[in-house]
Amino acid sequence: GESVGLHLPTLSVQEGDNSIINCAYSNSASDYFIWYKQESGKGPQFIIDIRSNMDKRQGQRVTVLLNKTVKHLSLQIAATQPGDSAVYFCAENITGRRALTFGSGTRLQVQP
Amino acid sequence: DAGITQSPRHKVTETGTPVTLRCHQTENHRYMYWYRQDPGHGLRLIHYSYGVKDTDKGEVSDGYSVSRSKTEDFLLTLESATSSQTSVYFCAISESTGWTVGELFFGEGSRLTVL
Repeated sequence: GESVGLHLPTLSVQEGDNSIINCAYSNSASDYFIWYKQESGKGPQFIIDIRSNMDKRQGQRVTVLLNKTVKHLSLQIAATQPGDSAVYFCAENITGRRALTFGSGTRLQVQP
Repeated sequence: DAGITQSPRHKVTETGTPVTLRCHQTENHRYMYWYRQDPGHGLRLIHYSYGVKDTDKGEVSDGYSVSRSKTEDFLLTLESATSSQTSVYFCAISESTGWTVGELFFGEGSRLTVL
């Protein structure tokens, strides 16, 4: 289907385990970050976002952590389910720009 | 789901022919974007619009032009398609009204193959 790359880093986890997907961003002037999930043949879908004045934000089964010191973002998925299998992208907005810049993505495979 | 429709969803064309992809939204959002997605590159910004007749270039704008004559429609044109423009193209919209973009809502993508 549309989208996903052939040579993405892959994280393989067992169903029920917690998953951690990491992302290094490039610009210290970035003030807003989003995680997207993309299933095969579909467009990216919003999971969770965080602004640069925060270091942690929680949603339903997901948590995003932001470490501005080392320019690192992570997405934690609790009790990973087969439906979580997808490609995950982080995206950043650089202050003053009116568009998101995306990372290259990580493929999450959930083993039953 | 955000009301975004891309057309066509699939197109095969030959090198040198013009191609136009259409993005239509029913959300009345100010910001509209065109990204392309290729293996190993994630999503890369081609062009975006922050209002009717207001557009700006992204990181991979060469070979592409855009137009926005109405709030709801954002057109991406390849004046003379090349094989390097074979890709999946995604339209996105944002309801942000300020200078910093918020969440983007994406369409389902248009797969373009240039032979």
